[in-house]
Amino acid sequence: EPEVTQTPSHQVTQMGQEVILRCVPISNHLYFYWYRQILGQKVEFLVSFYNNEISEKSEIFDDQFSVERPDGSNFTLKIRSTKLEDSAMYFCASRQGLGGGNQPQHFGDGTRLSIL
Amino acid sequence: SQKIEQNSEALNIQEGKTATLTCNYTNYSPAYLQWYRQDPGRGPVFLLLIRENEKEKRKERLKVTFDTTLKQSLFHITASQPADSATYLCALENNQGGKLIFGQGTELSVKP
Repeated sequence: EPEVTQTPSHQVTQMGQEVILRCVPISNHLYFYWYRQILGQKVEFLVSFYNNEISEKSEIFDDQFSVERPDGSNFTLKIRSTKLEDSAMYFCASRQGLGGGNQPQHFGDGTRLSIL
Repeated sequence: SQKIEQNSEALNIQEGKTATLTCNYTNYSPAYLQWYRQDPGRGPVFLLLIRENEKEKRKERLKVTFDTTLKQSLFHITASQPADSATYLCALENNQGGKLIFGQGTELSVKP
């Protein structure tokens, strides 16, 4: 069964450094998402992306964050200047189309980001 | 503000029994409600989706009910097995944009 893959599985970065998290969504999917989960807390929406532009973003997704789909395959999340509070598990998700029915979001296994 | 609440305490049950998990929400009118399973260190895995105009949905040993008047969904696992032990997440979705709003999850432990 096709799956969403994320790399790296664990990223350790010094505070203030830039970090890029990478995702390969399922190939025929059109909608892409990033979520994060701070340890022990709920999964939180960051941003959705469709047709090469951001559809919606949360308050968490400030100017330090950006997303890109550079080559029609990868979907990346960049944090320009990391802070301690950015430490979390970051999940990428994709879905084939909008609407419910048989089009759930499929999640990757996440990148654990640790800021030192 | 929008709020989603799931059983905050872990649920411990005996193998073979039915597990029932609760999801309550306020200040929201979701078009869809979804249940996901999450194992430690892994991403959420989709289980079932139910629409606002549906009362019940089943898939194998899983059953979901959705009461938009009570603003509540119940998630049942019948004939539970130790392999069902995981955290179960309730997620709401509105009609636009497709973002999911998650509850904090309920940890289920099924003892042999």
